[in-house]
Parts: sequence; C-alpha cells; structure tokens
Amino acid sequence: GIQVEQSPPDLILQEGANSTLRCNFSDSVNNLQWFHQNPWGQLINLFYIPSGTKQNGRLSATTVATERYSLLYISSSQTTDSGVYFCAVERSGSARQLTFGSGTQLTVLP
Amino acid sequence: ETGVTQSPTHLIKTRGQQVTLRCSSQSGHNTVSWYQQALGQGPQFIFQYYREEENGRGNFPPRFSGLQFPNYSSELNVNALELDDSALYLCASSPRRSLGGETQYFGPGTRLLVL
Repeated sequence: GIQVEQSPPDLILQEGANSTLRCNFSDSVNNLQWFHQNPWGQLINLFYIPSGTKQNGRLSATTVATERYSLLYISSSQTTDSGVYFCAVERSGSARQLTFGSGTQLTVLP
Repeated sequence: ETGVTQSPTHLIKTRGQQVTLRCSSQSGHNTVSWYQQALGQGPQFIFQYYREEENGRGNFPPRFSGLQFPNYSSELNVNALELDDSALYLCASSPRRSLGGETQYFGPGTRLLVL
C-alpha cells in the first residue's frame, strides 16, 4: 500500500514563530488532506490539496504531486495551534480510503 | 462542526463482549468510512460503505463488521472484543461515489476502552 511519512514527529515553538510541516507519499494520489486533531480527538479539516497551493489565514499548504510531497506552513503560531497535525492521502483508484501519516505533535509555548 | 455525529462518546467494555458504535453522516453524503486510531498513532482505515454495501476494507478481521442504512447513517460492530481494540473510532462521510478525490469529513469519535 501507499506509504505516508510526516516530519518532524515533534515540534516545540514559541508563540509567534513560524513552522513548516512536511508530508512525503510514495504513490500518485487523488486526494491529500491536512488535519489538525484537537485534544478531544476531533479531526479538523485544514486543507484539501491534492496539488497546488492554498492559504487560509495564518495557514497555507503546498502540494507538489509530481514530486510526491506536501508542506503545511503555520505562521505567527498561537498556543491554540498546539495539537497533532496529520497528512492523509487517498491513492489513485482506492475510492476514499485515506492513509494517514503518523502525525506531527506541535506544542506552542506562551 | 462537520455535521457528522457519533454515539456514544465513550464506552467501556470487557474482553469478549460485543459493541455497536453509531454514526450519522453529514447531510447529502452517501459514503461512510470507519477508522480506528490507537493511542499515539494515525487513524487506520477499517471499511467503507456506499449505498448500504461494503465498498472497500482495510486490514481488519471479520469480527469488525458494519451496516449502512437507507438514510446513510452507519454502524460499526465489533465482536469478541480484545484488549487491543481499545482505541478512538472515527467515522467520516463524503458526498458521492466516484473515483475518489473528495474531502472526507470526520465525526468527533467514540473512545472505546476494553478491560
């Protein structure tokens, strides 16, 4: 099956700092989503981005499908950004079966 | 809020028992997928239902089974519970069946503890 690798596994920042999270995947994909999982377990959709670049406030994401990676940028971090960030991909032809990476645990200190 | 709801929020069972978890998909979504998330790991795909039929299954044994109803709500059933079944169970819905490539929306999950 498709492999999804996220880096770094853990990231600790001071409030106000910027960060970049990376997701590498091993096969062509129909779908790539970035999620933020809050402490209660809810997966919050950040981006649906199988290719290209999108921005939403302080967050932006870029997927380079031909090189099989995606980046999530968080600018001016806030303590509320803390949590686990997951990248999930849907391999072409797999019809909505998402394969998740192991996540990046982000801690933003005040 | 995604519009996907799950019940119950928490559940405690003992080894060998059976459990049923429920999911109501977002309005207009006819495809439901279930995922298991063990502590410290990413979610893993269990299976997917479309138009009341199983449409894809991950690497889970047959004691994990499911149903989808005409209103597109869904159940996950687990028989003969094992300690390793303790996890967060997530339901996700999406709007229609195609070759894929559409956003999936997740519910808040059910935390199952097996003692």
